[in-house]
Amino acid sequence: KAGVTQTPRYLIKTRGQQVTLSCSPISGHRSVSWYQQTPGQGLQFLFEYFSETQRNKGNFPGRFSGRQFSNSRSEMNVSTLELGDSALYLCASSLDGVVADTQYFGPGTRLTVL
Amino acid sequence: AQSVTQLGSHVSVSEGALVLLRCNYSSSVPPYLFWYVQYPNQGLQLLLKYTSAATLVKGINGFEAEFKKSETSFHLTKPSAHMSDAAEYFCAVSLYGGSQGNLIFGKGTKLSVKP
Repeated sequence: KAGVTQTPRYLIKTRGQQVTLSCSPISGHRSVSWYQQTPGQGLQFLFEYFSETQRNKGNFPGRFSGRQFSNSRSEMNVSTLELGDSALYLCASSLDGVVADTQYFGPGTRLTVL
Repeated sequence: AQSVTQLGSHVSVSEGALVLLRCNYSSSVPPYLFWYVQYPNQGLQLLLKYTSAATLVKGINGFEAEFKKSETSFHLTKPSAHMSDAAEYFCAVSLYGGSQGNLIFGKGTKLSVKP
């Protein structure tokens, strides 16, 4: 089976712009989670989608949003970019997103905000 | 609240030496625990997973971890380090739902392997 794919792998944006990142989960997986990874804060949970519905949300401002499509693919959007949004954004998929499920991670999208 | 603490942000070992990466968790319910590895500029790869079936869990690349409830620990070990083991390792506990998400990660431990 193909793994989790994320596009694009690298992005450079300027402050104030918006950006959309894409994630394709492993075939058959219905839960998609997004994480932000920075040197200072480590891995922080953004949100989780299951069957096109946001099921859980982390403590991020409303500039961060996401959605999931009927084929389980997911996108996340960041509007009005700030310098502090520079990070590696990781997408992870699992079968149903329950406690015992293993989350499989994609390679990430490296976002740089100038 | 569930949390994970990884002792030592940086561990350095010689090639062939024992690798020991420490992880302690706090959980009000029996936890599901994971170790992930991250190589530079890559995503996280699952090394192993504890789901209460056995306290000693064997993973990929010769790694294993032992769940010790009395010590609330889930330390990762490998008998003999290889240069290719140099990476960052994350311990995580699974929590269903909530603002912390389904996985709560430790801060990570960078492993360096000296020739």
